[in-house]
Amino acid sequence: GAVVSQHPSRVICKSGTSVKIECRSLDFQATTMFWYRQFPKKSLMLMATSNEGSKATYEQGVEKDKFLINHASLTLSTLTVTSAHPEDSSFYICSARSNANTEAFFGQGTRLTVV
Amino acid sequence: DAKTTQPPSMDCAEGRAANLPCNHSTISGNEYVYWYRQIHSQGPQYIIHGLKNNETNEMASLIITEDRKSSTLILPHATLRDTAVYYCIVRVLYNTDKLIFGTGTRLQVFP
Repeated sequence: GAVVSQHPSRVICKSGTSVKIECRSLDFQATTMFWYRQFPKKSLMLMATSNEGSKATYEQGVEKDKFLINHASLTLSTLTVTSAHPEDSSFYICSARSNANTEAFFGQGTRLTVV
Repeated sequence: DAKTTQPPSMDCAEGRAANLPCNHSTISGNEYVYWYRQIHSQGPQYIIHGLKNNETNEMASLIITEDRKSSTLILPHATLRDTAVYYCIVRVLYNTDKLIFGTGTRLQVFP
C-alpha cells in the first residue's frame, strides 16, 4: 500500500511552546489529509480535514486557532499545536488519500507529551 | 452518518479463524464498509473494504449480508501479530470523505 510518514514520532515540549508535526505522502499525491487525536485506550477522534490549497475544515469542538493545519502541497500537511498545555498530550495521527483510490493510508503517529 | 456496533473484545487461538462481526443497520445504499486495524501505538492499517459483494485479499475476507446491515471480517489463520484493535467503519460519502472511527474490537490472539 501507499506510504504516509509522520515526523517526529515522539516529541516532548514545555507548556506554552508550539510544536509542529509533519505528515508526508511518500509515493502518491494526497489531495486530502486528515488529522486525528487519540487518548490512551480510546478511539481515534477526527480533528480536521484538509484539502491541498484550501483552508482546513475542523470538527466541532476543535479550536482552529490552537491546532493550525497547513496543506500547502500534494505531499505535505502540517499540524501545529500552539501554546501547548499538558492536556494536549496525546497521540496525533494523520492519514492521506488521493482521488486515485478509495483507501486512506495512515502515518505511524506522533506521541506528544507536554510537560 | 451511519454508525457501527462492534463487540468490545474477542479472543482467538493462534492458527484458528478470527471472525469479527460488525452491525451497521443504518447504512445507506452508497456507503462502503471499511475495516482497519491498529496495533498498539501505531497508526491504523487498512485491511479491506466492500460495498455489497464479499471481498477477499491477502489479509482477510469481508462478508457482507444481503441486506447490508451487518458484516464479518474473517482472518483465516490468526497469528499473534494479528493482536490489535479492529475498526469497522462506514465510509461517509460527502465532499470530505472522512472516516469516523468507533470503539472497535480488541482482538487478542493467544498461543
